[in-house]
Amino acid sequence: QVQLVESGGGVVQPGTSVRLSCAASGFTFSSYAMNWVRQAPGRGLEWVAIIWFDGSLKYYADSVKGRFTISRDNSKNTLYLQMNGLRAEDTSVYFCARGTSGYYSVFDIWGQGTMVTVSS
Amino acid sequence: QSALTQPASVSGSPGQSITISCTGTSSDVGAYNYVSWYQLHPGKAPKLIIHDVSNRPSGVSNRFSGSKSGTTASLTISGLQAEDEADYYCSSYTTYNTLVFGGGTKLTVL
Repeated sequence: QVQLVESGGGVVQPGTSVRLSCAASGFTFSSYAMNWVRQAPGRGLEWVAIIWFDGSLKYYADSVKGRFTISRDNSKNTLYLQMNGLRAEDTSVYFCARGTSGYYSVFDIWGQGTMVTVSS
Repeated sequence: QSALTQPASVSGSPGQSITISCTGTSSDVGAYNYVSWYQLHPGKAPKLIIHDVSNRPSGVSNRFSGSKSGTTASLTISGLQAEDEADYYCSSYTTYNTLVFGGGTKLTVL
């Protein structure tokens, strides 16, 4: 079945780096844009980044621009989020989501999320 | 990019209808018909319930409907059921090639 599974979360210290992965299955991964969305504890959803189906375009939220990098390996059906210079305010559940429809703005498939806690 | 504005909470009794508003600007909700709505139950993955303002994905109950006027989009849930109790988020594509979510609305079924 169509599925996205995130991994790589955990407890990390401020200023350090972590890479999240999102393994896709059940659909042609290379045909879809992919996104990262996060939700801080007790807070709302926040869009983080998008990458075009072929990796040719990437856009980021201002809150992560210059610190986070989205990438993908279509041969491995995997999406990544490299997170550098982590701050306490980056503490969130991170979801990957498939983008479709106009400007890939419709997130029709979501993973269950992986928790990243930034704390000393 | 500021979050879209949603009421923090709404409530209704079983069988009633409720409407959740989502107010943005001319750079997001007012610029495109690319407004979506998501349902979040605690500990579960978000679920798409409306896309492109008023379209329901296959399998989503026709009790959910969406609309838009100017810079405000709306989600209406008719015939409220206990399982509709959840958090609801709107989203919109923006003129900055980004996406913005609303702050979320907690729906309580009384």
